[in-house]
Amino acid sequence: DAGVTQSPTHLIKTRGQQVTLRCSPKSGHDTVSWYQQALGQGPQFIFQYYEEEERQRGNFPDRFSGHQFPNYSSELNVNALLLGDSALYLCASSSRTGVGNTIYFGEGSWLTVV
Amino acid sequence: AQKITQTQPGMFVQEKEAVTLDCTYDTSDPSYGLFWYKQPSSGEMIFLIYQGSYDQQNATEGRYSLNFQKARKSANLVISASQLGDSAMYFCAMRDDNAGNMLTFGGGTRLMVKP
Repeated sequence: DAGVTQSPTHLIKTRGQQVTLRCSPKSGHDTVSWYQQALGQGPQFIFQYYEEEERQRGNFPDRFSGHQFPNYSSELNVNALLLGDSALYLCASSSRTGVGNTIYFGEGSWLTVV
Repeated sequence: AQKITQTQPGMFVQEKEAVTLDCTYDTSDPSYGLFWYKQPSSGEMIFLIYQGSYDQQNATEGRYSLNFQKARKSANLVISASQLGDSAMYFCAMRDDNAGNMLTFGGGTRLMVKP
């Protein structure tokens, strides 16, 4: 049973560029959330998707957008990258209707903006 | 608004001893969940233990137990028989059951296990 998978694991982008990060949830999960974790801090909630729609959003600008596909996988897109976007981006997987309350995370995507 | 506070930025513990990592929370909602995660230097956030606000007993998972004191709004993680591999960042997080599966995290505690 595959856990939460994220890609790429590491990437370097230049200011002003755009980036797409990908996430496949744990088998049986239908909800994907994205978090940004700056160095030395706890993760901050970006947004959550289920049924292919954004359901909740944290305090992040519109440069951050996402998508969820029919197979529940998800993408996080960040446009017009800033140096401050350098962080670990974590994808979290959960179920809205299944048994259990656990929320599982992937290994994250390390983004460096130069 | 929800808030999670972890007051210990860093802690040392001797191998094979027990250690308690503190977590206090603030919420006005009666239904919520509390989580602890371990994050090694690789970055992966590893789920350790969960406690629901209506659970009557403290949660336990192997060497991990959660000391849940609802009236004091605290949810401390106890790690028994510490191992060198327990050295990592530990995060306490809360989910408001009325707000989907969004987690609010504390600032974390860095645990260092001494041989």
